[in-house]
Amino acid sequence: KQEVTQIPAALSVPEGENLVLNCSFTDSAIYNLQWFRQDPGKGLTSLLLIQSSQREQTSGRLNASLDKSSGRSTLYIAASQPGDSATYLCAVPGTASKLTFGTGTRLQVTL
Amino acid sequence: GAVVSQHPSRVICKSGTSVKIECRSLDFQATTMFWYRQFPKKSLMLMATSNEGSKATYEQGVEKDKFLINHASLTLSTLTVTSAHPEDSSFYICSARDPQGRETQYFGPGTRLLVL
Repeated sequence: KQEVTQIPAALSVPEGENLVLNCSFTDSAIYNLQWFRQDPGKGLTSLLLIQSSQREQTSGRLNASLDKSSGRSTLYIAASQPGDSATYLCAVPGTASKLTFGTGTRLQVTL
Repeated sequence: GAVVSQHPSRVICKSGTSVKIECRSLDFQATTMFWYRQFPKKSLMLMATSNEGSKATYEQGVEKDKFLINHASLTLSTLTVTSAHPEDSSFYICSARDPQGRETQYFGPGTRLLVL
């Protein structure tokens, strides 16, 4: 059974800092990995999707990397802003497209 | 494109009543939709897979008679929480599988259910 873990569980940084969120998964037989953002009481916003054949994906200040063999992915956020404050979730698909979500990282960017 | 809506966004009901939550794909047809449940400060847990025109597939531990799922059209799936109890209070989120066949899902905004 796939298990997805994210560390840290919570993170508080001052505005402008670069930061890294970590995601690890136990079954490396995945065909992609996705990072989501969730604001309090809201649904999910897809940030980046990395195919298993890719090493990384970039979107603006976000960069996600994937190392299948070690079962790890990282989400790098450059020059963090207060608007980046949210919970970040990684997820991997299994059989029948079912997603297994990570435990989440709650990020707070302070002024 | 690829917008998924949910209705209602928030509902409060008395214990013992049933509550229906709708999930709609607004600009695409979704043969497969998923229903998730999320407890406060926890991650999403898949409850069931909703397939248009056939019975839903429930995850282990999810009572199918408690959480009725109907996927009657290519744009609508409903989740009915029957005889709701306070422990059913949660945030329910649906998603629809990418119609282009890519392995990604589009998520609805969620429904907050509070059972008194």
